[in-house]
Amino acid sequence: AQSVTQPDIHITVSEGASLELRCNYSYGATPYLFWYVQSPGQGLQLLLKYFSGDTLVQGIKGFEAEFKRSQSSFNLRKPSVHWSDAAEYFCAVGAWSGNQFYFGTGTSLTVIP
Amino acid sequence: GAVVSQHPSWVICKSGTSVKIECRSLDFQATTMFWYRQFPKQSLMLMATSNEGSKATYEQGVEKDKFLINHASLTLSTLTVTSAHPEDSSFYICSARSTEGPGYEQYFGPGTRLTVT
Repeated sequence: AQSVTQPDIHITVSEGASLELRCNYSYGATPYLFWYVQSPGQGLQLLLKYFSGDTLVQGIKGFEAEFKRSQSSFNLRKPSVHWSDAAEYFCAVGAWSGNQFYFGTGTSLTVIP
Repeated sequence: GAVVSQHPSWVICKSGTSVKIECRSLDFQATTMFWYRQFPKQSLMLMATSNEGSKATYEQGVEKDKFLINHASLTLSTLTVTSAHPEDSSFYICSARSTEGPGYEQYFGPGTRLTVT
């Protein structure tokens, strides 16, 4: 069965500290992986995506993610967190056809001064 | 590019009335649009897949007679919540898949907050 797991429901980091948000997936076919960010009351903004090729992908706002097939993981990282990064982060896996998106339950990020 | 809009952004309605939410792809054509529902502090749950010119495909447990979906053109899909009740209050998000390029990317709208009183 297809699923996406984000083990951390809530993470608190200090501004300027590094960040890693975990994402594990279970998918029967070649996974296409995404990270989205959602600010309160807003829609989803795409941070980055992985389709193929280099397993380390760069996204917007200084985020990057690494696809590790052996671990079925697609963790999101940022070297130095800014207060504006406080939001909800969702990992998603999709099919090539684009007809199915499976979202993780999300990780809420709090940034403290 | 690849902008999806939703209207209205928020709506309050009385119990028993119907509410229509529009989802538009502004700068691309979308053969397929998706409707999601998001409860507070929870993830997005796919409600239905809307294909232009054909009937929508609903996920298990979603009442098709209550959540009417119409995809009349390549840039517009509508979700009508019929006979709304307080338990229908939620954040509804649509997404659209472009007719060109890779099929695996969806572009998301900003969402519509529905409150039923």
